[in-house]
Amino acid sequence: GNSVTQMEGPVTLSEEAFLTINCTYTATGYPSLFWYVQYPGEGLQLLLKATKADDKGSNKGFEATYRKETTSFHLEKGSVQVSDSAVYFCALSDHQAGTALIFGKGTTLSVSS
Amino acid sequence: GAVVSQHPSRVICKSGTSVKIECRSLDFQATTMFWYRQFPKKSLMLMATSNEGSKATYEQGVEKDKFLINHASLTLSTLTVTSAHPEDSSFYICSALKAQGYNTGELFFGEGSRLTVL
Repeated sequence: GNSVTQMEGPVTLSEEAFLTINCTYTATGYPSLFWYVQYPGEGLQLLLKATKADDKGSNKGFEATYRKETTSFHLEKGSVQVSDSAVYFCALSDHQAGTALIFGKGTTLSVSS
Repeated sequence: GAVVSQHPSRVICKSGTSVKIECRSLDFQATTMFWYRQFPKKSLMLMATSNEGSKATYEQGVEKDKFLINHASLTLSTLTVTSAHPEDSSFYICSALKAQGYNTGELFFGEGSRLTVL
C-alpha cells in the first residue's frame, strides 16, 4: 500500500540556516505529494504541493521537487526564520479526489535566533 | 483559502461518557470529510471517510461502534466518541474536501479537538 517516510526529528537550526527535511514515498500509480505545516496551537495548513513528476511546489521560501526516479519530495528552505518553527508533514494522495491523505510522522523544526 | 472549523477545540470528560466533536466547512460544501487521530510524536492516522448522506467508511482497526460518524449535511460532519476511556484521549482532526472539478479537489483541515478522558 501507499506510505510516506519522513526523517526523524527534531531538527534544531539557527536562524538563516539551510533546511532540508527528507521525505520518500511508496505508492502505486501517480500520487500527488504535499507538505503540510502545523504551527504551535494551530491546525494543519497546506504549505505546498506537486501533482506530477518533476513539478516543483513552492511557498513562503520553501520548495520541494517531485522526484519520481527517487520517489522523494524533500522540503528545502535556504534561510529559515524563528517563525518557521513548527511540525512539518509530508503527505500523498491518490490522484483521484475523494481519497484521504496519507501522512508521514511529522518532523519538528525548532529555529533559534 | 477555505475554512474548516472544529468544535470544541478542547474537551475533558469522565470515563464512560460520550463526547461529540463537530466539523464544519464554513464557506464551501464538502461531500467528503475525513477524520484523523493524531498521537503524540506520531503521524495522523486516518480513522474514517465520511460521505454526505451515506455511512462512513472506517479504516481497519477503528471500531465503528466506538467512533460514530455522521455526515448529515454538506457542511457538517460529527464524530462521537462513545463510552470514552482514557486510551481514547487524543487529538482528533477533521478535513473537508473542496471539489475543484471532476476528480480533483483540495483538502482543508480543522484546527483539531483535544480530547482528555479522565
